[in-house]
Amino acid sequence: NAGVTQTPKFQVLKTGQSMTLQCAQDMNHEYMSWYRQDPGMGLRLIHYSVGAGITDQGEVPNGYNVSRSTTEDFPLRLLSAAPSQTSVYFCASRNGQSYEQYFGPGTRLTVT
Amino acid sequence: QKEVEQDPGPLSVPEGAIVSLNCTYSNSAFQYFMWYRQYSRKGPELLMYTYSSGNKEDGRFTAQVDKSSKYISLFIRDSQPSDSATYLCAMSAWGSGGYQKVTFGTGTKLQVIP
Repeated sequence: NAGVTQTPKFQVLKTGQSMTLQCAQDMNHEYMSWYRQDPGMGLRLIHYSVGAGITDQGEVPNGYNVSRSTTEDFPLRLLSAAPSQTSVYFCASRNGQSYEQYFGPGTRLTVT
Repeated sequence: QKEVEQDPGPLSVPEGAIVSLNCTYSNSAFQYFMWYRQYSRKGPELLMYTYSSGNKEDGRFTAQVDKSSKYISLFIRDSQPSDSATYLCAMSAWGSGGYQKVTFGTGTKLQVIP
């Protein structure tokens, strides 16, 4: 049982480049989320999904796209990277009716 | 005003000290109260949760909730260097669609000095 996995662990992008952060979970959780964590800002919700084919915006969705074609996978796409998107990105999953979230190890993204 | 307020610290204590970490909140709808621990360069992991007002103890950790004051605390007894981490409070309430909506505090960085 791998839990929540994220790839890559580190990434450096140039302004304007696009990329996809991968997230997968093997716990059959219906609810998956993407957060970014910045110093002094805590965890901020970017997008979330309550099941395959269903996604919605969180607190800071601009500049990011998501899709959920399977229960296991929830990729996050940066359309045109900006320095303001330099952050640590965490994917999390849980049962929809539960409060307990399981987090992945994070992706450290730097945009120059 | 943020829904959940948490002092970012850093908090530095000697080994063996009792540590008190706190959060305040403004949303009366919050029902579940959680503490996550996050080691450096790792993802947060759930440490403790409570549902109602009162105390919940787990080993050296005690979580306390005072709904009337909208205030939660985490106490760590006999603190150890291995407790050095960032502690995030989190709270949840039922959102639209029948799902729990979780809101996090910004985290308090704790350092326990040997």
